[in-house]
Amino acid sequence: GAGVSQSPRYKVAKRGQDVALRCDPISGHVSLFWYQQALGQGPEFLTYFQNEAQLDKSGLPSDRFFAERPEGSVSTLKIQRTQQEDSAVYLCASNSGADTQYFGPGTRLTVL
Amino acid sequence: GESVGLHLPTLSVQEGDNSIINCAYSNSASDYFIWYKQESGKGPQFIIDIRSNMDKRQGQRVTVLLNKTVKHLSLQIAATQPGDSAVYFCAEIYSDSSYKLIFGSGTRLLVRP
Repeated sequence: GAGVSQSPRYKVAKRGQDVALRCDPISGHVSLFWYQQALGQGPEFLTYFQNEAQLDKSGLPSDRFFAERPEGSVSTLKIQRTQQEDSAVYLCASNSGADTQYFGPGTRLTVL
Repeated sequence: GESVGLHLPTLSVQEGDNSIINCAYSNSASDYFIWYKQESGKGPQFIIDIRSNMDKRQGQRVTVLLNKTVKHLSLQIAATQPGDSAVYFCAEIYSDSSYKLIFGSGTRLLVRP
């Protein structure tokens, strides 16, 4: 496709379950970003990849959050032992190294 | 900490009028600013950007103004249309920060028919 895609679009998890969220960036985009967006708030940075290298993970809220991009294209954000405070929309963005980041539709995670 | 904020959480305008959405930023080292539009259930959509060496940039029906002296950014939308109803975010980047976007909390724009 022409844009960033994310799956699943919606995920409901019971507290304590592990979840994996997928991002397919725009083809050829070197940089990939993950953001977390709480209801009514602006997105907050989680982590950044340049190709397969994770260059910044300063925004990950705890060691339960893990992201990877093993082949420099698709990325997965994994959350272990989910908590209710993890409920949010998780957004993925990519760019070619220029500054404009293009966002996917997000995955809405609800932890019960 | 450093942050980007907005003055008004909700703005209601009449269709056809001009809209102005304001944003204050606190990091004087920021060198790139972007306005995004976010509709319900969608990801942020790029509208317009401006670099710190500029004070004005125009797009189609939109203009961004940057006042570095008072660290203020604004988005002007001409002849506002119902399709402009959304939440608008300003965001900043400073190049020593891995190019991550720092977003404000957003302004909801409501267009009255």
